[in-house]
Amino acid sequence: SQQGEEDPQALSIQEGENATMNCSYKTSINNLQWYRQNSGRGLVHLILIRSNEREKHSGRLRVTLDTSKKSSSLLITASRAADTASYFCATGTGANNLFFGTGTRLTVIP
Amino acid sequence: EAGVVQSPRYKIIEKKQPVAFWCNPISGHNTLYWYLQNLGQGPELLIRYENEEAVDDSQLPKDRFSAERLKGVDSTLKIQPAELGDSAVYLCASSFNSATEQYFGPGTRLTVT
Repeated sequence: SQQGEEDPQALSIQEGENATMNCSYKTSINNLQWYRQNSGRGLVHLILIRSNEREKHSGRLRVTLDTSKKSSSLLITASRAADTASYFCATGTGANNLFFGTGTRLTVIP
Repeated sequence: EAGVVQSPRYKIIEKKQPVAFWCNPISGHNTLYWYLQNLGQGPELLIRYENEEAVDDSQLPKDRFSAERLKGVDSTLKIQPAELGDSAVYLCASSFNSATEQYFGPGTRLTVT
């Protein structure tokens, strides 16, 4: 399967702590994207990292990509209750389709 | 700027009935996607359009599912007849092109009884 797999499946932290989620995939990719999904706003794009990039930042988000290990991580710093959501990694292939993982369910406790 | 619009938001039908979902992508987005999302899973691509052409429909169950994107803007996804296993959220997304980030609509939650 080309689908990414997130780890852990669920994560619960206190507000203000950092949250790290990992994604592993199996095939060559053009890019890897992270999305957030909650009941209020649906599925929202967070960040895209291309296969020739190793690290990318966006606000409190930091994404790393290791193509040799076929893995990526998403770090959310100084978490807030509003960060509570499911986070999905999605791999973009040569066919320009996205393959989503099963997600990490993050709960930030106020 | 308006986001991706989908309707209806919820639909409950009996099995063997037909159902249709509608999507209006973000203006100027050439690529449109339909995904299926089961509970606790990530979205799975059903079909991708580049303008009005379906360029990848390999995951679309063609015996009961059909889709169209007339004039390369709005799109409809149809199921006929619906089965119990079709209960899921159907998401529409659009992007400027197939190599950029995708913007998702709120989805249609289908329940087949």
